[in-house]
Amino acid sequence: GENVEQHPSTLSVQEGDSAVIKCTYSDSASNYFPWYKQELGKRPQLIIDIRSNVGEKKDQRIAVTLNKTAKHFSLHITETQPEDSAVYFCAASRADQAGTALIFGKGTTLSVSS
Amino acid sequence: DSGVTQTPKHLITATGQRVTLRCSPRSGDLSVYWYQQSLDQGLQFLIQYYNGEERAKGNILERFSAQQFPDLHSELNLSSLELGDSALYFCASSVVVGGEQFFGPGTRLTVL
Repeated sequence: GENVEQHPSTLSVQEGDSAVIKCTYSDSASNYFPWYKQELGKRPQLIIDIRSNVGEKKDQRIAVTLNKTAKHFSLHITETQPEDSAVYFCAASRADQAGTALIFGKGTTLSVSS
Repeated sequence: DSGVTQTPKHLITATGQRVTLRCSPRSGDLSVYWYQQSLDQGLQFLIQYYNGEERAKGNILERFSAQQFPDLHSELNLSSLELGDSALYFCASSVVVGGEQFFGPGTRLTVL
């Protein structure tokens, strides 16, 4: 089955710096890669996603890149703000199959200090 | 607010007991997923239903079962509870299989 590795587990940056979180996946058939942000005690919220027919996607200060050959994808947050502090999860799934579980990485705790 | 509702918010029970967690998907969403989040295991997929039928199973214990009803709400039944079952249980829904999943607020289960 699919296995998703996520690094680093914790990341501390200064406000205004960039943050990068990296994930690798094992199943070459995976084709949908969402990123979720989870604040303490709250539900995971989708912040950006990418499908395997696209190499990069941007949404304001957030971007995701995908390298299908190397089977890794990354989240880039620019001009970080204190409200970006949260746990970020990457996930992978085979979104064209009948059953499409999200397989999550272990999460990255991002701390942005002002 | 994602539109996915879960009840109850908190549940405290004893080992050996049985509980039922309830989830109502967003209006129009046919697919429901259950996930377990614990400190040491992260977010783990348990089971998926689509329009009343089971579609995929993850690391779901035999003591756990689920179903999706004709009105599309879903219930997750946990029996013979153990201390290690204490976790946050999330339900998510999507319009189609493989679509963006929207998570509910979760049910925090504490087994004493």
